[in-house]
Amino acid sequence: DAKTTQPTSMDCAEGRAANLPCNHSTISGNEYVYWYRQIHSQGPQYIIHGLKNNETNEMASLIITEDRKSSTLILPHATLRDTAVYYCIVRENTGNQFYFGTGTSLTVIP
Amino acid sequence: DGGITQSPKYLFRKEGQNVTLSCEQNLNHDAMYWYRQDPGQGLRLIYYSQIVNDFQKGDIAEGYSVSREKKESFPLTVTSAQKNPTAFYLCASSIGLADVDTQYFGPGTRLTVL
Repeated sequence: DAKTTQPTSMDCAEGRAANLPCNHSTISGNEYVYWYRQIHSQGPQYIIHGLKNNETNEMASLIITEDRKSSTLILPHATLRDTAVYYCIVRENTGNQFYFGTGTSLTVIP
Repeated sequence: DGGITQSPKYLFRKEGQNVTLSCEQNLNHDAMYWYRQDPGQGLRLIYYSQIVNDFQKGDIAEGYSVSREKKESFPLTVTSAQKNPTAFYLCASSIGLADVDTQYFGPGTRLTVL
């Protein structure tokens, strides 16, 4: 069962930062937060993951609240190619399954 | 190039026929997975395999079968017992049994049963 809540859709102006929120209020101590995105009719693409510290890579930043009950994925300078469905997933570090909900459909507007 | 390949990208079959979807990876990953995605929905796990010659059912295994004879291959057969086989099928792989076990996905196969 999906353990996360995300807004159904969001818009972002091209060149601006896209901030995608995710609530995971029932997260337990050994569960990681993962973010994937899926462009229409393609396989999901891994973006980033974290446990409790904020993380940054070449694609995005992940900000996790101190209580770990929510997180935000930040795309610092959104481009049209970032238009996709973004999935926030919580998963035990030894689990086998990623529970994908319906995610947030992000549209980057020129 | 390292990665996961799925073939074909589009597949059409007549109702009542079995069909096998291919998934190959050259990432030297131990674990492989099959998911199904229906329009506007998230992914649902069909089967997974953590090691060669071993696999487990996921949430929606009925009407599907798999084999794992080689580390790099995990084919999925959609049988005639699957009531609604038309869907987008995604294969993934991961290192397996690691503290952080990121799954990487193939491009998917869209199956249409006529």
